[in-house]
Amino acid sequence: RKEVEQDPGPFNVPEGATVAFNCTYSNSASQSFFWYRQDCRKEPKLLMSVYSSGNEDGRFTAQLNRASQYISLLIRDSKLSDSATYLCVAPSRNFNKFYFGSGTKLNVKP
Amino acid sequence: NAGVTQTPKFQVLKTGQSMTLQCAQDMNHNSMYWYRQDPGMGLRLIYYSASEGTTDKGEVPNGYNVSRLNKREFSLRLESAAPSQTSVYFCASTELGAEQYFGPGTRLTVT
Repeated sequence: RKEVEQDPGPFNVPEGATVAFNCTYSNSASQSFFWYRQDCRKEPKLLMSVYSSGNEDGRFTAQLNRASQYISLLIRDSKLSDSATYLCVAPSRNFNKFYFGSGTKLNVKP
Repeated sequence: NAGVTQTPKFQVLKTGQSMTLQCAQDMNHNSMYWYRQDPGMGLRLIYYSASEGTTDKGEVPNGYNVSRLNKREFSLRLESAAPSQTSVYFCASTELGAEQYFGPGTRLTVT
């Protein structure tokens, strides 16, 4: 089983829609997680860190469900510029390594 | 601040040729990483260096070697390139458990 798993999508949504992605992780001891955004042919960039129960930043909300071992990313009022691939990341137990999901592709259409 | 820099940006090699990908960071981070990214596969860890003077294998180390030259620099070497090593290579750095910062990537094609 992979350390981190994501639905690859693509999620095709109209502008203004609300969309949510889930990510499951296998290591129950993981304490923190990250969502990265990756544009086509570019490097990943941090979108949000997720500690304890969750985090909110403007239109973006990340939540952590430890009992079911998943984290979610909610995007409200989607913009065309939100079109990208979203990567879920969990650090290893000793924080020496990071495990990346394969990414969820989002297409926001006019 | 330049952050994480990588050279070269693009490279085409013939099977059997060797090359070194260079990575440097100016954020005084202890940990540095090399990943490869293939379509539909996400980022896979090749090697990492938790601190200056140490290196460890990641998920896909075969065919690669690394050198942590000093705290700033972490290079990745392909001794005998194979078509299966055609990929996009990203270098990253971080302080323990915190956000990773990525370089712009090297697009490598092996023919």
